[in-house]
Amino acid sequence: LAKTTQPISMDSYEGQEVNITCSHNNIATNDYITWYQQFPSQGPRFIIQGYKTKVTNEVASLFIPADRKSSTLSLPRVSLSDTAVYYCLVGDRDSGAGSYQLTFGKGTKLSVIP
Amino acid sequence: AAGVIQSPRHLIKEKRETATLKCYPIPRHDTVYWYQQGPGQDPQFLISFYEKMQSDKGSIPDRFSAQQFSDYHSELNMSSLELGDSALYFCASSLGDGLSTEAFFGQGTRLTVV
Repeated sequence: LAKTTQPISMDSYEGQEVNITCSHNNIATNDYITWYQQFPSQGPRFIIQGYKTKVTNEVASLFIPADRKSSTLSLPRVSLSDTAVYYCLVGDRDSGAGSYQLTFGKGTKLSVIP
Repeated sequence: AAGVIQSPRHLIKEKRETATLKCYPIPRHDTVYWYQQGPGQDPQFLISFYEKMQSDKGSIPDRFSAQQFSDYHSELNMSSLELGDSALYFCASSLGDGLSTEAFFGQGTRLTVV
């Protein structure tokens, strides 16, 4: 499994854009990059997944450079409710036979300040 | 939409007792994962099942066992409980269609060993 490295914590003011970068130097060809969000005492929640370039959905954008050795989760105009821990995961998609390995590393604790 | 159901939500046991946690995945999901999350810790992968067979094993103690039944629900059995087993236990499920890395997490079971 590719090892991921993220900042331990980040602070941001409300309304700002937040970018969290994850390093995954030994990412494999078949690996996808997935980000999860976790609030205290709740299960992690899927945010976004991507393979290369840029992916955008209604809550976030994911930027992946050509070498795929890192990725950046971008949260536009954060609010207090975005205060949570964010995890970057790297692994193949679940194509059955238990091929998807959902392993969490050290996440980034984002604190949004009023 | 149906989500992952875990029961019980809270459980208090004494040292050396046994506990059984249950997980009901989203209908049609064929993969189930179990995680342990201690206070202030990141989710630690314990074990996963695909189509009722164990597919991957993480840092699960020998005192713990799990299985997935014919109706796809899963149970985590924990014996000889120790104080250090006090944690939130999450179950997640996913669909092995090869299209996504998204897994859906339950609300968790908070186990307290006294």
